[in-house]
Amino acid sequence: AQKITQTQPGMFVQEKEAVTLDCTYDTSDPSYGLFWYKQPSSGEMIFLIYQGSYDQQNATEGRYSLNFQKARKSANLVISASQLGDSAMYFCAMREGSGGSNYKLTFGKGTLLTVNP
Amino acid sequence: EAQVTQNPRYLITVTGKKLTVTCSQNMNHEYMSWYRQDPGLGLRQIYYSMNVEVTDKGDVPEGYKVSRKEKRNFPLILESPSPNQTSLYFCASTSPTSGVYEQYFGPGTRLTVT
Repeated sequence: AQKITQTQPGMFVQEKEAVTLDCTYDTSDPSYGLFWYKQPSSGEMIFLIYQGSYDQQNATEGRYSLNFQKARKSANLVISASQLGDSAMYFCAMREGSGGSNYKLTFGKGTLLTVNP
Repeated sequence: EAQVTQNPRYLITVTGKKLTVTCSQNMNHEYMSWYRQDPGLGLRQIYYSMNVEVTDKGDVPEGYKVSRKEKRNFPLILESPSPNQTSLYFCASTSPTSGVYEQYFGPGTRLTVT
């Protein structure tokens, strides 16, 4: 079974509107972290936001917020007031455990977001 | 500026010709890792290193080697590249002291093996 599932291969949004990118995860480890990365067409991986499994509040970073629903094992990224520069591939990723041997990130397959003017 | 650098950024080579992709970080991170990205598959871990002289296999290690002789450097070695190793490669680093373990990624190396 996939550990990270992003069900939306592509999404379109109008400039200045909000958009939600879906991510569900699967783990039996009580300690884990969830990340969202942005990959523009230039190829680099840009860290956006992080949510720890024990965090009580949803993470926010500027226009990005993470809608964390632990019981449903979902960690959706919400981008408010979309801008043309938000057009990119977005990856959800998970780190299982609290460290020790491997801080590996397991990635989903990504969602390609296109912001229309 | 805190960063992870990779060289080369682009490389076209032929089957069987040994190559090395360098990775260096200036953040004194203990942990470094290599990923490959293929269309429709996301990123997958190749190898990782917890510290100097400590390396281990990730999910897709076949055909790759690594070494960690210095804390800042973590080169990826393809001793006999094959076309199925054509991919976009990322080096990443993090430190356990952050508590978040956010991984800092290099700019990527686009490798084509013909």
